[in-house]
Amino acid sequence: AQSVTQLDSQVPVFEEAPVELRCNYSSSVSVYLFWYVQYPNQGLQLLLKYLSGSTLVKGINGFEAEFNKSQTSFHLRKPSVHISDTAEYFCAVTAMNRDDKIIFGKGTRLHILP
Amino acid sequence: NAGVTQTPKFRILKIGQSMTLQCTQDMNHNYMYWYRQDPGMGLKLIYYSVGAGITDKGEVPNGYNVSRSTTEDFPLRLELAAPSQTSVYFCASSYSIGSRNEQFFGPGTRLTVL
Repeated sequence: AQSVTQLDSQVPVFEEAPVELRCNYSSSVSVYLFWYVQYPNQGLQLLLKYLSGSTLVKGINGFEAEFNKSQTSFHLRKPSVHISDTAEYFCAVTAMNRDDKIIFGKGTRLHILP
Repeated sequence: NAGVTQTPKFRILKIGQSMTLQCTQDMNHNYMYWYRQDPGMGLKLIYYSVGAGITDKGEVPNGYNVSRSTTEDFPLRLELAAPSQTSVYFCASSYSIGSRNEQFFGPGTRLTVL
């Protein structure tokens, strides 16, 4: 079975500063990895996903994530955040090439400070 | 293309009352899911369906029931509401379960049981 740990429940960061949201996963098989974003009072939407190939994945709104197999991590980064990035971010994992469900982390709330 | 729609957006129930949360998708997705989201706990899978007429339990199915008579609709029923069911409920759909495909989420139903 897979599991995912988001190391920070909340991350405050000043506007225009860089940010990193941390995600570690556990799995005995190869995995696909996802980051979803939830804006206030909305459902989740896909930010980016890693399926295979390049370990650096670029997503919407200037976000990117790097898959690190040796450290079992999939951290999300943005070089300069905007007030509109205020949201909750969820890391998720699922087993590769299987009909298996996605396991979501507990989420990291990103607070942008003016 | 409306995506995934949920009704109602908000509801207050008394203990012991019943209700049905509606979910409809217009993307012709075979797979549909119900999650509940509690603060700091991420998303927990309640039930899922791999196609019309087929449903299965997720991580937290107790106190809920589902049906899938059509590809488009996947209602969630609470028979005897309890305070522990106070939560935000999200319906989602995908082309296939887990694996490579992203899940598309509805806007959620915020349920309070008093």
